[in-house]
Amino acid sequence: DQQVKQNSPSLSVQEGRISILNCDYTNSMFDYFLWYKKYPAEGPTFLISISSIKDKNEDGRFTVFLNKSAKHLSLHIVPSQPGDSAVYFCAASRTGGTSYGKLTFGQGTILTVHP
Amino acid sequence: DVKVTQSSRYLVKRTGEKVFLECVQDMDHENMFWYRQDPGLGLRLIYFSYDVKMKEKGDIPEGYSVSREKKERFSLILESASTNQTSMYLCASRRGGAAYEQYFGPGTRLTVT
Repeated sequence: DQQVKQNSPSLSVQEGRISILNCDYTNSMFDYFLWYKKYPAEGPTFLISISSIKDKNEDGRFTVFLNKSAKHLSLHIVPSQPGDSAVYFCAASRTGGTSYGKLTFGQGTILTVHP
Repeated sequence: DVKVTQSSRYLVKRTGEKVFLECVQDMDHENMFWYRQDPGLGLRLIYFSYDVKMKEKGDIPEGYSVSREKKERFSLILESASTNQTSMYLCASRRGGAAYEQYFGPGTRLTVT
């Protein structure tokens, strides 16, 4: 049962354009969402997060949008740069109780930004 | 900066061997995690520890065990390695509390032949 899904295995974008990565979740108990970026042979690095009390969070070129009613979040990268080429994972968590910050990850989307 | 280190970047083991993967973090984090990453499956949680000597199973604990004797160190043990445990293994740590991100180590690429 895949509770967090990234339905696009790959995305190709021209440098300078917007990249939009999508993520859907099924568990309504999730209330904290994160995006990670991963280069080959390296561990994932944290990019940006959003709490379910918000619908948008922005950090420089990266913006995450959350639509709770649709159980959907997206990551926008503007403008895209070749160095953004990596695998992007979305992850979801419950912050209460005994969750201890366990993350449920999507399958990942490979972003390629062409010069 | 948080630093999470893993004992090996690449490891090759034979079927049936006992394998130890070590993870150390230097930020006094309460929570530590072991994941495996496989193509098309994302990262899947094997085990996690919320405090010293405390551990809980994740989504795919079969064939694995863990040990956390000190706060900074979290070990993953493959009791009898099998070829289907060939994977990238990632350790992460996190500050205890509500909404904090996990910090990952560089990963160990394990091949079981």
